[in-house]
Amino acid sequence: NAGVTQTPKFRVLKTGQSMTLLCAQDMNHEYMYWYRQDPGMGLRLIHYSVGEGTTAKGEVPDGYNVSRLKKQNFLLGLESAAPSQTSVYFCASSSWTAEAFFGQGTRLTVV
Amino acid sequence: GQQVMQIPQYQHVQEGEDFTTYCNSSTTLSNIQWYKQRPGGHPVFLIQLVKSGEVKKQKRLTFQFGEAKKNSSLHITATQTTDVGTYFCAGSNSGNTPLVFGKGTRLSVIA
Repeated sequence: NAGVTQTPKFRVLKTGQSMTLLCAQDMNHEYMYWYRQDPGMGLRLIHYSVGEGTTAKGEVPDGYNVSRLKKQNFLLGLESAAPSQTSVYFCASSSWTAEAFFGQGTRLTVV
Repeated sequence: GQQVMQIPQYQHVQEGEDFTTYCNSSTTLSNIQWYKQRPGGHPVFLIQLVKSGEVKKQKRLTFQFGEAKKNSSLHITATQTTDVGTYFCAGSNSGNTPLVFGKGTRLSVIA
């Protein structure tokens, strides 16, 4: 019973490099989210999706893009990484307004 | 946009003391959820409250949802070292709006 799986778990990027974080869920949830967590800032919503083929901006979307081509996958892209994007990234999924299930997180460092 | 404020940001207690964290929303919520994140871990769902004035208990944890559905609280009786972590509230104000998290309250328990 995998739940929500994030890859990779750790990554170090150089400023200006690009990367994609993958989130996969096996619970047939409609809703998927990407959050970033920084010390003292709680969980800030980057982008979210309410269904396959749909995405929307959250609180801190700048510098990120997302895609949800398949219901079970939600991809977060960084086109040109900046040190300010050093953070822990969490993906979550839920069924409508029910509880959200989180992945284990991706610790990203941009140098 | 919707904002969820949580206080206090930090709380240090002696083992056996009680602990309370408060959550306030700028808008009326359809439901509120509480999560716990252990150090180095990911947020894990604790409970969801839906009804105005609702009170739910889980062993030593008591959750309340305000009459106006704009505030909530989590109270832990006789804290234990296993209660250490950050407690987040999260709310949404309709079925198509994403979960918005408070900044969390980090609880330290001194044995």
